[in-house]
Amino acid sequence: LAKTTQPISMDSYEGQEVNITCSHNNIATNDYITWYQQFPSQGPRFIIQGYKTKVTNEVASLFIPADRKSSTLSLPRVSLSDTAVYYCLVGLLSGNTGKLIFGQGTTLQVKP
Amino acid sequence: GAVVSQHPSWVICKSGTSVKIECRSLDFQATTMFWYRQFPKQSLMLMATSNEGSKATYEQGVEKDKFLINHASLTLSTLTVTSAHPEDSSFYICSASSAGKADTQYFGPGTRLTVL
Repeated sequence: LAKTTQPISMDSYEGQEVNITCSHNNIATNDYITWYQQFPSQGPRFIIQGYKTKVTNEVASLFIPADRKSSTLSLPRVSLSDTAVYYCLVGLLSGNTGKLIFGQGTTLQVKP
Repeated sequence: GAVVSQHPSWVICKSGTSVKIECRSLDFQATTMFWYRQFPKQSLMLMATSNEGSKATYEQGVEKDKFLINHASLTLSTLTVTSAHPEDSSFYICSASSAGKADTQYFGPGTRLTVL
């Protein structure tokens, strides 16, 4: 399973754009890149998933370069409620063999 | 869509007792369910993978006789912590994926277990 490396923590201010980069040098051909958000004492919440290039949804964008060895989660105009831990995961779920291994995640602190 | 529930949301028990935690996929059929444990200020640690109708696959270091997992239907998996001890106190989280969208896991809200 591909290992991921993220910054342990980041600070931002309300209204700013936040970019969190994740390194996954050993990503396999069939691996997807998925980002989750977790608040204290809650289960992780799916944010976005991609395979290559750029993916955008109503809450975030995911940028994946051609070599797929890294990815960047972009949160536009963050608010205080975006303070959470963000996890980047790489893996393929396929029937009986798929599983995801969580790294330490990035703790994002949004300040007023 | 893709809602996963857990019950109970929190439980307090005495040392030596067994506790069962349920994980349900409410609006999809979960061919695979995963169980995680999370200690304070730490990341999620995968405990086991369970497929409907099959025995669970446990991660290295996780005692299968202590953490019994049953995945008897496509919408329900249970984790039973047998003979619980204070060191088993943790936040237990399940996730589920479906055959139709096997590349995404959806997580339950978690269960806080406190063993006295």
